[in-house]
Amino acid sequence: NAGVMQNPRHLVRRRGQEARLRCSPMKGHSHVYWYRQLPEEGLKFMVYLQKENIIDESGMPKERFSAEFPKEGPSILRIQQVVRGDSAAYFCASSGQVYEAFFGQGTRLTVV
Amino acid sequence: AQTVTQSQPEMSVQEAETVTLSCTYDTSESDYYLFWYKQPPSRQMILVIRQEAYKQQNATENRFSVNFQKAAKSFSLKISDSQLGDAAMYFCAYRSGGATNKLIFGTGTLLAVQP
Repeated sequence: NAGVMQNPRHLVRRRGQEARLRCSPMKGHSHVYWYRQLPEEGLKFMVYLQKENIIDESGMPKERFSAEFPKEGPSILRIQQVVRGDSAAYFCASSGQVYEAFFGQGTRLTVV
Repeated sequence: AQTVTQSQPEMSVQEAETVTLSCTYDTSESDYYLFWYKQPPSRQMILVIRQEAYKQQNATENRFSVNFQKAAKSFSLKISDSQLGDAAMYFCAYRSGGATNKLIFGTGTLLAVQP
């Protein structure tokens, strides 16, 4: 049973470009969570999605960030017009019916 | 809102010795879960141990155990017989007792293990 898969592992974007981060949850999991980890900090919750629905986006910046989890395919975290401050590691976690979330290995975004 | 505080940015322990990492939290909820995650240099988040707030008994997983003091809102992690592979960043995390698995993390403690 494959774990949570995130790709790419590393992503470099120039300021103003778009970044798309993908997350495939564990098989059978229908809940996805995105977190951001800035350098030297802990993980900060961004958004919680179930299939085709955003359940909690209280941690998402109001502009430039969006997330989706379509009926088919991976969850996508999209950052438009990236700025240097968006450089961070972005983690995805998935869960099923139990109270444990399984994390992917993260995507390290570098904005140059 | 719930908060999680880890007051030790860095800790060091000798191989085979015991170390305790501190964590305090603030919440007005009565139903919640607490976790310790390990993040080695690979960045993978690995669940170390989990504690349900309604359980009085402290959780134990092999060399890892917790001291859960609900009234004091304290949740420390004890690592016994420390090994070189235990060197990592350790994060304490809180989860509400509802249906969501949304986690609130502390800022982490970097543990070094000296041979």
